[in-house]
Amino acid sequence: DGGITQSPKYLFRKEGQNVTLSCEQNLNHDAMYWYRQDPGQGLRLIYYSQIVNDFQKGDIAEGYSVSREKKESFPLTVTSAQKNPTAFYLCASSIATGTQDGYTFGSGTRLTVV
Amino acid sequence: QKEVEQNSGPLSVPEGAIASLNCTYSDRGSQSFFWYRQYSGKSPELIMSIYSNGDKEDGRFTAQLNKASQYVSLLIRDSQPSDSATYLCAVNMNSGAGSYQLTFGKGTKLSVIP
Repeated sequence: DGGITQSPKYLFRKEGQNVTLSCEQNLNHDAMYWYRQDPGQGLRLIYYSQIVNDFQKGDIAEGYSVSREKKESFPLTVTSAQKNPTAFYLCASSIATGTQDGYTFGSGTRLTVV
Repeated sequence: QKEVEQNSGPLSVPEGAIASLNCTYSDRGSQSFFWYRQYSGKSPELIMSIYSNGDKEDGRFTAQLNKASQYVSLLIRDSQPSDSATYLCAVNMNSGAGSYQLTFGKGTKLSVIP
């Protein structure tokens, strides 16, 4: 079955440490997205990618970095510059950003600073 | 500023009643609209999409769209305790250069009381 796989499900980060969240899709979608969700804040866009080797900043990109070397993969790195990284991180994909389709979400990664 | 507004709730309805969830959006040019259901600790799941004015029914769910009033709603008939979740309204908005992105509301929390 096609879908989006996020790993790990839970992740603990120490102060000053970089961590990378994995997102892989086998839907043959061109566009991929990373969102952060905090209680009462809704979904906030971190980065998105319309095509391989291209990505754009979203509303809250500071302290995060991404790469898109393969169509299937869009990993997110939470750097030490992100001062408040504890949140639920969601990866999503869509056929393309030029269409008006909905997004498919992965199961999410819950990141906690310890 | 392109926005999607929802009443955060919580909205409490008795089992078997009709739950009515509402959403307004700011971009008059939007053409596609979605409702996602998110259980606590889980990722959003697409439950309805609507593109034309009027009603769209799928089982116990009915989405209603009024583009002139920039208003979209979700009705859940014969509400069940398993419908208790947060419902996110999402609107596809033009982000420039022929690209569209989903803008999400903060969600309405629904509780169905047995």
